[in-house]
Parts: sequence; C-alpha cells; structure tokens
Amino acid sequence: GNSVTQMEGPVTLSEEAFLTINCTYTATGYPSLFWYVQYPGEGLQLLLKATKADDKGSNKGFEATYRKETTSFHLEKGSVQVSDSAVYFCALTEDYKLSFGAGTTVTVRA
Amino acid sequence: SAVISQKPSRDICQRGTSLTIQCQVDSQVTMMFWYRQQPGQSLTLIATANQGSEATYESGFVIDKFPISRPNLTFSTLTVSNMSPEDSSIYLCSVWRGGETQYFGPGTRLLVL
Repeated sequence: GNSVTQMEGPVTLSEEAFLTINCTYTATGYPSLFWYVQYPGEGLQLLLKATKADDKGSNKGFEATYRKETTSFHLEKGSVQVSDSAVYFCALTEDYKLSFGAGTTVTVRA
Repeated sequence: SAVISQKPSRDICQRGTSLTIQCQVDSQVTMMFWYRQQPGQSLTLIATANQGSEATYESGFVIDKFPISRPNLTFSTLTVSNMSPEDSSIYLCSVWRGGETQYFGPGTRLLVL
C-alpha cells in the first residue's frame, strides 16, 4: 500500500534560518505529492503540490521537488519567519485518497 | 480552491451521545471525504461520500459508528455515534477539486467527556 514517512519533529529554528523537512514515500503507481500546513488553531491548507517526476512545487517561499529516483519530496525554505510556525504534513494521493505523513511541528523563534 | 464550511466548529459532548457534523461546499463536487485527526496525530481517512450512493469506509471505520449522508452535490454530514472519550478529535471534511487536489474545511473540534 501507499505510505509517507516524514521527518520527525519538533523542529525549532531561529528567524531567517534554513528549513528542510524530509519526506519519502512508498507507492504502487505514480502518485501526486503534496505539502499541507496547519497553523495553530486552524484547519489544513494546501501549501504546494507536484503531480509528476521532476516537478517543483512552490508557494510562500517554500519549495519541494518530486524525486522519483529517491521517492522523496523534501520541503525547503531558505529563510523562515515566525509566522511559519505550524505543523507541516507531507501527503500523497492515488485513487483520490490522501495518505498523510505523521506531521512535523516547526517553531520559529524571533 | 474551494470554500468549505463546517458546523459546529467545536463541541463538548457527554459519552454515549451522538453528534452530527455538517459540511457545506460553495459549488458542486462529486467526491467528499471525511477525516479524523486525533490529538497530536496525523489525519486518517474515515470514508468517501459520493452523492447517490452509500459511503465507502476505510478499514477500522464502520457505518454504525460513523453514519454519513450525502443528499446533494454540495453537502454532507458525518455523525459520531455513541461517543466515548476516544472519539475526541478534530473531524475534517474535504473535497476533490482542480486536478488531484483536496481542499479541507476548517474542522470540527470535538471533546467527549
């Protein structure tokens, strides 16, 4: 079956630091890959996505590249802000169903 | 994207009772989904709700515990029946739209005492 393995947190950073959250997946076919973000007390928001190999998703300074050869979709941001403090979920979809990673809590200190 | 609303936004319930959660979408969609997020955990799919047919439940979830209605293409309800403290979670609905993308409602935060 499909599964997503995500870097465990929590992760604590200082403002303007570089952020990487590792995500690898197992799938039987050719899934689409997503990063969702959940800010404190809020619902789940789509951050970015990639639908095929070598696609790069980007949004709000975050990027992730779909790497089929390493089955990875690592999330990166070059300079984080306090407002980036949230829980980040890596996910994949096949047959319309989303499978989520465990989530990584990121805290950015001023 | 999609505009999705859920009611109630939160509730505190007594064990043994039931709660019905509503999900309303701003336009017609074929597929709606219900997820559970237990405290500090990731999201788990409960079921897929298609209009005009019975919901399809994932392993570990049954209709008697989580009955779902889908009366039209913009609305669905999830009932959490005979609640216990273990049912305390955030329940989210989502819709499939825009080419392989799911958009989520704000969630219903349920606490069972």
